Amino acid sequence: GAGVSQSPSNKVTEKGKDVELRCDPISGHTALYWYRQRLGQGLEFLIYFQGNSAPDKSGLPSDRFSAERTGESVSTLTIQRTQQEDSAVYLCASSLVVGAGANVLTFGAGSRLTVL
Amino acid sequence: ILNVEQSPQSLHVQEGDSTNFTCSFPSSNFYALHWYRWETAKSPEALFVMTLNGDEKKKGRISATLNTKEGYSYLYIKGSQPEDSATYLCAPTTSGTYKYIFGTGTRLKVLA
Repeated sequence: GAGVSQSPSNKVTEKGKDVELRCDPISGHTALYWYRQRLGQGLEFLIYFQGNSAPDKSGLPSDRFSAERTGESVSTLTIQRTQQEDSAVYLCASSLVVGAGANVLTFGAGSRLTVL
Repeated sequence: ILNVEQSPQSLHVQEGDSTNFTCSFPSSNFYALHWYRWETAKSPEALFVMTLNGDEKKKGRISATLNTKEGYSYLYIKGSQPEDSATYLCAPTTSGTYKYIFGTGTRLKVLA
């Protein structure tokens, strides 16, 4: 697609429910990232996928969080048994890979998650 | 984990003022420094990527410099306009990593 597409744009859920957030990266972008921004805080790295390499999951805050990516396309971030502290804007980004550390990220519009 | 600091945390300037803010990072194993602008209700968008000590980049009224030896980058905005109001984020990267750790950002508000 022309840009990074995320869905849903807004999700309100009750504490304890599971949620799935979807990211459709730019076609041809082999790297895909998930970040989140909680209220009043900065962009927090969660996970990244690069081609067929094992994902870097070092930013996932707990085992309630998981993410998958199908080949070099769509990714799904799943949060199980949501808690109020999971309320945040979840951003997905993708990039071409021309060299580690210098690739420009293109971000999606984000998914705003509110846990009541 | 990279310790990235951005200052100030926020600032308000009058339209037409010039301003600058700082991104500080560890200089060891440095590879590149990224600046992004994040406007309210929009997605972060890339401004600059710099890799070499002494690099200067410019995009319209916005420019950035890089000092890799002392571990800092400055972002300058000349003649600020209300549309420059945004959070400016930096992310230094180290050799061989694809992980981008962003600073907490500088929130700029330009008053008309």
